[in-house]
Amino acid sequence: GAVVSQHPSRVICKSGTSVKIECRSLDFQATTMFWYRQFPKQSLMLMATSNEGSKATYEQGVEKDKFLINHASLTLSTLTVTSAHPEDSSFYICSARDLRYAPEETQYFGPGTRLLVL
Amino acid sequence: AQSVSQHNHHVILSEAASLELGCNYSYGGTVNLFWYVQYPGQHLQLLLKYFSGDPLVKGIKGFEAEFIKSKFSFNLRKPSVQWSDTAEYFCALRTGGYNKLIFGAGTRLAVHP
Repeated sequence: GAVVSQHPSRVICKSGTSVKIECRSLDFQATTMFWYRQFPKQSLMLMATSNEGSKATYEQGVEKDKFLINHASLTLSTLTVTSAHPEDSSFYICSARDLRYAPEETQYFGPGTRLLVL
Repeated sequence: AQSVSQHNHHVILSEAASLELGCNYSYGGTVNLFWYVQYPGQHLQLLLKYFSGDPLVKGIKGFEAEFIKSKFSFNLRKPSVQWSDTAEYFCALRTGGYNKLIFGAGTRLAVHP
């Protein structure tokens, strides 16, 4: 399968600061990437769809001004958690849409970033 | 709205036992279905996928799944599990025209040696 990386894997920050998480598709180009949030022992909840060269599409209930997404190239999307608060502590996972075998497109997932806001 | 249900939240098996994890979805149109696995401390990996054709899909590591349209189901099976299959398994749905995946709640499988 295709490879997707995330950086950093873990981050601890103080309340009120901003944190940037990177998601890269390493061996394919991804016009679309997705950002998920996973709470302990729960499933993945889609936060937003990141489209290269255009604005992200946010799911209902996700604050776009708090979770800034930038998809500046075909292999990189970033999620910035602005003015982080303890309730933003979570596991953030990205995925990238692999269209090389379309129409059987598949999403490949990054290893996740654990964010802890103190 | 589309949704995915995984009925078994926790499954405990002994090695060599057979496995079947249930997955049902709600959507009346064309669907693509996926099973992903998340081993402890690792990222989600694709086990298998169904797009069209043969409803019995074979994946990696000896897993297979059967798409039964009339039952809106896509159950995952493995005839003989190993300790290394201990993981969380997620069923996911993608509907025609939409890129995003809708995940089930996951099933946590523990295999005892």
